[in-house]
Amino acid sequence: AQSVSQHNHHVILSEAASLELGCNYSYGGTVNLFWYVQYPGQHLQLLLKYFSGDPLVKGIKGFEAEFIKSKFSFNLRKPSVQWSDTAEYFCAVKASGGSYIPTFGRGTSLIVHP
Amino acid sequence: DVKVTQSSRYLVKRTGEKVFLECVQDMDHENMFWYRQDPGLGLRLIYFSYDVKMKEKGDIPEGYSVSREKKERFSLILESASTNQTSMYLCASRLGRDSSNQPQHFGDGTRLSIL
Repeated sequence: AQSVSQHNHHVILSEAASLELGCNYSYGGTVNLFWYVQYPGQHLQLLLKYFSGDPLVKGIKGFEAEFIKSKFSFNLRKPSVQWSDTAEYFCAVKASGGSYIPTFGRGTSLIVHP
Repeated sequence: DVKVTQSSRYLVKRTGEKVFLECVQDMDHENMFWYRQDPGLGLRLIYFSYDVKMKEKGDIPEGYSVSREKKERFSLILESASTNQTSMYLCASRLGRDSSNQPQHFGDGTRLSIL
């Protein structure tokens, strides 16, 4: 079974700072990877996903993530955060072709000060 | 755009009551899911359903059951509510089993308090 670890539980940044949220997974086979975001009072929505091809994936709102297979990582990045990026971020991994059920990390709460 | 609708945003019930949480999706998705979301614990899967009348236990099914009589509707049932079931409940849907690389679409959540 796969598992997901998000190392940063709470992150506080000032506007214009750069962001990197860590996500590591454990699974020996091919995986599908997701980042979801939950803005205050809103539903979870997909930020970006990786299935195959270019390991650098670009998502909405200027976010990107890089899949590094050798490190079992899928870290989320944004070069310059805004106050509106304040949200909770969840990484999820699904074994490709195996279980159809993604496993979620515990989430990272991001607060951006104006 | 996919719409996943949960019947209540907030719900307050008493210990021992039977509680029904309803979820409806409008995109003919085969797969549906129920999670609970607790601070510091992320999303934990309670039950999921691949298709109508099919259901599978997730990671924390104890104290819950589900019903999927129609494709668009997936109900979560707390047979006898207890205070440790106070939580945010999230419903999600996803296009078909063979398209499992598709993302899930989530509802707004139901914040359930058991007194």
